[in-house]
Amino acid sequence: GEDVEQSLFLSVREGDSSVINCTYTDSSSTYLYWYKQEPGAGLQLLTYIFSNMDMKQDQRLTVLLNKKDKHLSLRIADTQTGDSAIYFCAEKTGRRALTFGSGTRLQVQP
Amino acid sequence: NAGVMQNPRHLVRRRGQEARLRCSPMKGHSHVYWYRQLPEEGLKFMVYLQKENIIDESGMPKERFSAEFPKEGPSILRIQQVVRGDSAAYFCASSSRDSGTYEQYFGPGTRLTVT
Repeated sequence: GEDVEQSLFLSVREGDSSVINCTYTDSSSTYLYWYKQEPGAGLQLLTYIFSNMDMKQDQRLTVLLNKKDKHLSLRIADTQTGDSAIYFCAEKTGRRALTFGSGTRLQVQP
Repeated sequence: NAGVMQNPRHLVRRRGQEARLRCSPMKGHSHVYWYRQLPEEGLKFMVYLQKENIIDESGMPKERFSAEFPKEGPSILRIQQVVRGDSAAYFCASSSRDSGTYEQYFGPGTRLTVT
């Protein structure tokens, strides 16, 4: 079945880059997403990437996809305290629903 | 254009009572998804609906849970005879299409506590 895994916790200093990693098992995944969840809030879509791409950049965010290794990463440049949140990786295949990882809690130290 | 609306935001029920969670999709969206998030976990898909149709309910528990999306009005997730294990955050998402890259936009969630 489908499985998406992420490390649970990442701590960085303000101004450094953050890299959040994700692995997935379904080789037929067509789209991969990164969502951000702040405490007590819903999920905010940050960015997504098609499976036929290997990189996508959007301002401070860079997504890298290694399809061979089924590895996805989200790099946040110049991390700010406002970036502290839980980041979820999600994948989608022909099935309409998203399959989520368990989330990586990013803590940004001032 | 208002986002996805969910109410109530917080719901407390005693064991054995019924819980009704409402979701109003974004304007122009006719596809609704319900997800459940247990504490310290990711979101798990429950059910996918279009107006008046259940398209995929493979993530719904077989008993006590039901969902609808009527022609008029919000989508409703109904949990009968709630148990403590139903305590979770329930998120609704909507999209304008059911395939491709069409993003799912999430509501703020309903946090259900069963006492």
